[in-house]
Amino acid sequence: EPEVTQTPSHQVTQMGQEVILRCVPISNHLYFYWYRQILGQKVEFLVSFYNNEISEKSEIFDDQFSVERPDGSNFTLKIRSTKLEDSAMYFCASSVSKLGTGELFFGEGSRLTVL
Amino acid sequence: GENVEQHPSTLSVQEGDSAVIKCTYSDSASNYFPWYKQELGKRPQLIIDIRSNVGEKKDQRIAVTLNKTAKHFSLHITETQPEDSAVYFCAAVGLGGSYIPTFGRGTSLIVHP
Repeated sequence: EPEVTQTPSHQVTQMGQEVILRCVPISNHLYFYWYRQILGQKVEFLVSFYNNEISEKSEIFDDQFSVERPDGSNFTLKIRSTKLEDSAMYFCASSVSKLGTGELFFGEGSRLTVL
Repeated sequence: GENVEQHPSTLSVQEGDSAVIKCTYSDSASNYFPWYKQELGKRPQLIIDIRSNVGEKKDQRIAVTLNKTAKHFSLHITETQPEDSAVYFCAAVGLGGSYIPTFGRGTSLIVHP
């Protein structure tokens, strides 16, 4: 069964450093998403991506964040200058169609720890 | 924006008992309500969903009910088994033309053998 894969599974970084989280969505999916979950809190939407551009983003997704699909298979989330409050589990997800018409498939998450 | 509240945050039951997890949403435009299960160390996976044109949906031991008037929906698991132990997330989708799901905080279900 096809899966969304994410790397790294865990990354520890110093405050102010840049971090890139990588995702490989399911190959025939067209919509890609990043969510994050701070420990003990809700799963929060960050950004959705379709047709090589951001389709929606939340208030959390400020200028420190960016997404890219560099090569047709990878989907990356970059945090330019990490803050302590960026520590969270980051989930990538993909769907074959817009939600409401198709299931959201999640990766296993990348845990980011900012020291 | 949409707000989804989920209760309880932790639910502990004996094997064979039923478990009920409840969610409320704020936006009456929401029309799709998926439930995801996340086992320890694994990815969230869809287990059941319901659309606003039905009031109940069942799949073996799992059922979901939706009350659009009251804006709440619930997950029911009957005859619980230890492998049902996981974190369950509800979500609401369909805010004002957006298809981005808003998730609840999650419920940690523990089934004691």
